[in-house]
Amino acid sequence: QQQVKQSPQSLIVQKGGISIINCAYENTAFDYFPWYQQFPGKGPALLIAIRPDVSEKKEGRFTISFNKSAKQFSLHIMDSQPGDSATYFCAASRGADGLTFGKGTHLIIQP
Amino acid sequence: ETGVTQTPRHLVMGMTNKKSLKCEQHLGHNAMYWYKQSAKKPLELMFVYSLEERVENNSVPSRFSPECPNSSHLFLHLHTLQPEDSALYLCASSQKLTGAGSNQETQYFGPGTRLLVL
Repeated sequence: QQQVKQSPQSLIVQKGGISIINCAYENTAFDYFPWYQQFPGKGPALLIAIRPDVSEKKEGRFTISFNKSAKQFSLHIMDSQPGDSATYFCAASRGADGLTFGKGTHLIIQP
Repeated sequence: ETGVTQTPRHLVMGMTNKKSLKCEQHLGHNAMYWYKQSAKKPLELMFVYSLEERVENNSVPSRFSPECPNSSHLFLHLHTLQPEDSALYLCASSQKLTGAGSNQETQYFGPGTRLLVL
């Protein structure tokens, strides 16, 4: 049973456009929702994270939108740039447990 | 770099070999993790060492054996692996807070060891 479902699997966006990646979770006990960015040959790196007591968090061009009632959260990348091309993972955790990851989205930003 | 190093970066081994993966964190963290990353699958948490206690994922086969001699070093000992164990093995560390309440610490990942089992 996959606890965190991520879509789409791959995404192509034109430079300057908005990239949107969606995740849905099942465990209502999750209380921390980070997004990780991974470049080829590197480990995942934390991009931005949110807690369920807020509906939106913005850091530069990256925004997380969180819908607690729908058990969904999404990553928006504004003004997408070729350097944003990477694999993005959503994740969730409960308390001191380890992270449960989505399957990842391979994002390509075309110049 | 994230402050988490892993060696070797690449490893090819036969099914009868015994090898070990090494992870070292230079961040002063008190928790370390092993994850498995396979193609088209979510990152899978294998083992957690937190505040000197080991938390296991019961679905991990016994041919994977972790060792954490101190808070800065983590090993994954491998023996009699199968071809389906070929994957990227990622180490991560974090600083867990003691006491009650939610613990939403950031995990810092190493670059991984790319393992191929023939």
